[in-house]
Amino acid sequence: QSALTQPASVSGSPGQSITISCTGTSSDVGGYNYVSWYQQHPGKAPKLMIYDVSNRPSGVSNRFSGSKSGNTASLTISGLQAEDEADYYCSSYTSSSTPYVFGTGTKVTVL
Amino acid sequence: QLQLQESGPGLVKPSETLSLTCTVSGGSISSSSYYWGWIRQPPGKGLEWIGSIYYSGSTYYNPSLKSRVTISVDTSKNQFSLKLSSVTAADTAVYYCARHVAVVPAAILLDFDYWGQGTLVTVSS
Repeated sequence: QSALTQPASVSGSPGQSITISCTGTSSDVGGYNYVSWYQQHPGKAPKLMIYDVSNRPSGVSNRFSGSKSGNTASLTISGLQAEDEADYYCSSYTSSSTPYVFGTGTKVTVL
Repeated sequence: QLQLQESGPGLVKPSETLSLTCTVSGGSISSSSYYWGWIRQPPGKGLEWIGSIYYSGSTYYNPSLKSRVTISVDTSKNQFSLKLSSVTAADTAVYYCARHVAVVPAAILLDFDYWGQGTLVTVSS
């Protein structure tokens, strides 16, 4: 089972919206509504931002939203802020030999 | 508030076994809706799921590491542990423990909602 595919980097100006994609297969992203997104600042542990494709844990800003179409899931950050500059990882349950997989990661830069 | 804390040697020699323990506080490791997992991150690279364990001892491993990994649980101490054998420099990474939300009867592993701070393990002679 290969890692889910994410763009290496995405950038935007403060106040703008950006979208990060996460592409898998019908055995993972496309087959189940079990996609999660994590935010990781340098030197820190990842933080869960979205679970089950589009649900936000308590305390996560509503500027973060998730969606899915076919084999691709997306994380959208609206009203981009300097504090959003971080690495973002998607993940999914898979029905393959590896029951869980992370994405390759995306570095978000706030210009 | 649930907390997880990794502990273990920060330096391991090549060919030896890496051993880490995760201590869970503020909640029971015997909770029915959760597995408990290990994730690692080599310096400057992405996250890699190593494996997860249920309090009953049921485990799931990443096939790429399965031949070298053992995850165990000690419910009396509210701890779970990782052993990775025959390590090489490629195993140098920050190792995280985390709570793995799951649909337990179906063994569907979902998201990691609580994480430890991580511990850097360097493999070097």
